[in-house]
Amino acid sequence: DTGVSQDPRHKITKRGQNVTFRCDPISEHNRLYWYRQTLGQGPEFLTYFQNEAQLEKSRLLSDRFSAERPKGSFSTLEIQRTEQGDSAMYLCASSLSGAGLNYGYTFGSGTRLTVV
Amino acid sequence: GNSVTQMEGPVTLSEEAFLTINCTYTATGYPSLFWYVQYPGEGLQLLLKATKADDKGSNKGFEATYRKETTSFHLEKGSVQVSDSAVYFCALSVGNTGNQFYFGTGTSLTVIP
Repeated sequence: DTGVSQDPRHKITKRGQNVTFRCDPISEHNRLYWYRQTLGQGPEFLTYFQNEAQLEKSRLLSDRFSAERPKGSFSTLEIQRTEQGDSAMYLCASSLSGAGLNYGYTFGSGTRLTVV
Repeated sequence: GNSVTQMEGPVTLSEEAFLTINCTYTATGYPSLFWYVQYPGEGLQLLLKATKADDKGSNKGFEATYRKETTSFHLEKGSVQVSDSAVYFCALSVGNTGNQFYFGTGTSLTVIP
């Protein structure tokens, strides 16, 4: 197992375009999380899944954002009609349910989005 | 609400110097506290944790003690190395399931030989 993988590593897009990111968690982890990290800030929680169910969404996740985890394995995060304010690092993490408190998450290296 | 306030950076130290990065928190419940580290080009990695008051988390020579009376979780290392250069994030998690972490803004550390 190579940990949490995110693709692509970098994405440059024009304002107004749609983008989609992918996250492959550690295979035995049933929880998957998305965070956003802007420059000079710590990561901020966006949403999380337990298996295929999306159980919590932050108010940061506007209507232009949608996340899916259709088979309880990989997840996608789509941003529609991108805005310059969407430029950030998008982090994915995974864990076993209930283990986050004791072991933290395993984070991926992130997808850096630049909206021009 | 839940939040973490971290010492502003960047911090530059000479090798073998003593390191302290301050972290204080507010929490609606009884939090667990964490330090994460992010090396250049890599994802965040859990450095250490403490789940109850007076617990001391330690790893790779780093230590932090959960101080409920001062709502603090300061990170310390007695002798830093060049390889410790990274960004350090203090974080908290509330509740039994730890559904989400609340992170500080991060402190960039550069250690010079």
